[in-house]
Amino acid sequence: EAQVTQNPRYLITVTGKKLTVTCSQNMNHEYMSWYRQDPGLGLRQIYYSMNVEATDKGDVPEGYKVSRKEKRNFPLILESPSPNQTSLYFCASSFRAAGELFFGEGSRLTVL
Amino acid sequence: QQQVKQSPQSLIVQKGGISIINCAYENTAFDYFPWYQQFPGKGPALLIAIRPDVSEKKEGRFTISFNKSAKQFSLHIMDSQPGDSATYFCAASPRPYNTDKLIFGTGTRLQVFP
Repeated sequence: EAQVTQNPRYLITVTGKKLTVTCSQNMNHEYMSWYRQDPGLGLRQIYYSMNVEATDKGDVPEGYKVSRKEKRNFPLILESPSPNQTSLYFCASSFRAAGELFFGEGSRLTVL
Repeated sequence: QQQVKQSPQSLIVQKGGISIINCAYENTAFDYFPWYQQFPGKGPALLIAIRPDVSEKKEGRFTISFNKSAKQFSLHIMDSQPGDSATYFCAASPRPYNTDKLIFGTGTRLQVFP
């Protein structure tokens, strides 16, 4: 089944404790991105990747890091999480940079 | 100028009624207007999309109406069903369309009651 898989789906952590949210897609998509969804703010792009070893900042990149060492994986790293990073995070991919976005099921992160 | 303004924030409709969600933009370079549908606990999924060379696009009970001069576009759901209860996001992208340039609206939570 074609899908974008995120882990963990739910996480509660404390300020400053590094965490990684993994994202993997099995559709051989070139393009991958991370969004955060907050009430009243919609979906905002954090980082995106056009292909392996090619990443770039989105609209809200502060406090996040990403890497794209393999085509299928695009982890989101929070080096020192803060409470304002409490949010619902979505990984998405598309076949090419101008294609339909396929989203994962989301990772709900709470930073205390 | 890069914003896409979406309204209403929430919408309650009775089964069989028409649901209407509106979006407005200012950037005249926007050239591609998709709508994404998100069910509770799931990620958004593409529902329907339109380009400004047409004023309307219909897929089943879902219709996008596009008004280029007013810089507005809307989603109409005819004969709304409880299964349509979801959050809907409009989006826009300038030409040439690239996913990284896609700007999302703030979302509309639709509830359809039997």
